[in-house]
Amino acid sequence: DAKTTQPPSMDCAEGRAANLPCNHSTISGNEYVYWYRQIHSQGPQYIIHGLKNNETNEMASLIITEDRKSSTLILPHATLRDTAVYYCIAGTSGTYKYIFGTGTRLKVLA
Amino acid sequence: GAGVSQTPSNKVTEKGKYVELRCDPISGHTALYWYRQSLGQGPEFLIYFQGTGAADDSGLPNDRFFAVRPEGSVSTLKIQRTERGDSAVYLCASSPSQMDVFGNEQFFGPGTRLTVL
Repeated sequence: DAKTTQPPSMDCAEGRAANLPCNHSTISGNEYVYWYRQIHSQGPQYIIHGLKNNETNEMASLIITEDRKSSTLILPHATLRDTAVYYCIAGTSGTYKYIFGTGTRLKVLA
Repeated sequence: GAGVSQTPSNKVTEKGKYVELRCDPISGHTALYWYRQSLGQGPEFLIYFQGTGAADDSGLPNDRFFAVRPEGSVSTLKIQRTERGDSAVYLCASSPSQMDVFGNEQFFGPGTRLTVL
């Protein structure tokens, strides 16, 4: 599975959009991009995933570049409860062995 | 509905002792995963079950670690002769099936915090 690279930390003002980048320059054509987040003292929580097209659900939007070498997770109106570590993971549809990395620690500021 | 549950939530033990950590997956989920998370790090894969069998145990660090899932539901992670370096949060996750759903998400439990003194 492809390696992903994320900034270690980011701040975002409450109510503003949080844009979390992820580089996955070695991603292969059949690998999805998955996003999970982990709020303090909880297990990781699935947010969204995508292959080529941009995706949106009730939690977030995922923008994947045309060359698929990078993506951005967008939380459109960040709240204090969105403070968490966000993990970007690349893997095929059959992936079970997630490689989490150290993620991006997002702090939403009041 | 009920999510993945793990017991105990905290376990403190002494070096050299044996511990068992339990995971109750979401009902009907055939795939089950164990991860270990050290402080400041992301979760690290340990083992994956499809039904009753361990399909991949390549992440288990050594032969002191063993996991079972005898009836294809509840799983137990067993650690023998615990060492201080085993201290971590042990996470369990489940999913409906690893093989037949594209982009299958994993549902995680809250974890068991193991402290070896």
